Amino acid sequence: DQQVKQNSPSLSVQEGRISILNCDYTNSMFDYFLWYKKYPAEGPTFLISISSIKDKNEDGRFTVFLNKSAKHLSLHIVPSQPGDSAVYFCAATLYGAGSYQLTFGKGTKLSVIP
Amino acid sequence: ETGVTQTPRHLVMGMTNKKSLKCEQHLGHNAMYWYKQSAKKPLELMFVYSLEERVENNSVPSRFSPECPNSSHLFLHLHTLQPEDSALYLCASSQDPGEGETQYFGPGTRLLVL
Repeated sequence: DQQVKQNSPSLSVQEGRISILNCDYTNSMFDYFLWYKKYPAEGPTFLISISSIKDKNEDGRFTVFLNKSAKHLSLHIVPSQPGDSAVYFCAATLYGAGSYQLTFGKGTKLSVIP
Repeated sequence: ETGVTQTPRHLVMGMTNKKSLKCEQHLGHNAMYWYKQSAKKPLELMFVYSLEERVENNSVPSRFSPECPNSSHLFLHLHTLQPEDSALYLCASSQDPGEGETQYFGPGTRLLVL
């Protein structure tokens, strides 16, 4: 059973508009959430993160929102640019009893149309 | 023996030295990973192995050379490193490669290059 879910495999947005990528999780013990961006033939690169004790983190055009009660987080990109076209992965971490887990969602492919 | 183990836990080496990091997973997983975590930066994926075959190499300098002799063991051979390579090197494994899989991490090797 997937603990981190990205239910939209793809998303198309017009250049200059807002892109909203969504992620749901099931484990309330996750303590940190991350968004990674992946271009074809490259590994994922870190984009932005948020601690479970916060509800918003902003970095330039990227903002991540966390709703713990709904176990939901979202990534907003404003304004969207063609270079943002990539696959975006949501990930969550869990520390406990000397172990560390990092769980990725399956990704959402964003296409920004010029 | 539990989870994912890494040795050594700490390593100090000069720029002309050759050393190896070892990772072993006792989970029966098919995929193993090397990550680098520098100070105040998120995890950077370095290499991915699936059933002993390298499936991903994220533009890592050739002074880092991975080896996966079997599905339970993963090595990272180091030679002529630079001081900026000082970081925490984490090994992880998952049942199969893929972004939806939960990755289980070892405790890491803290590397200092002088």
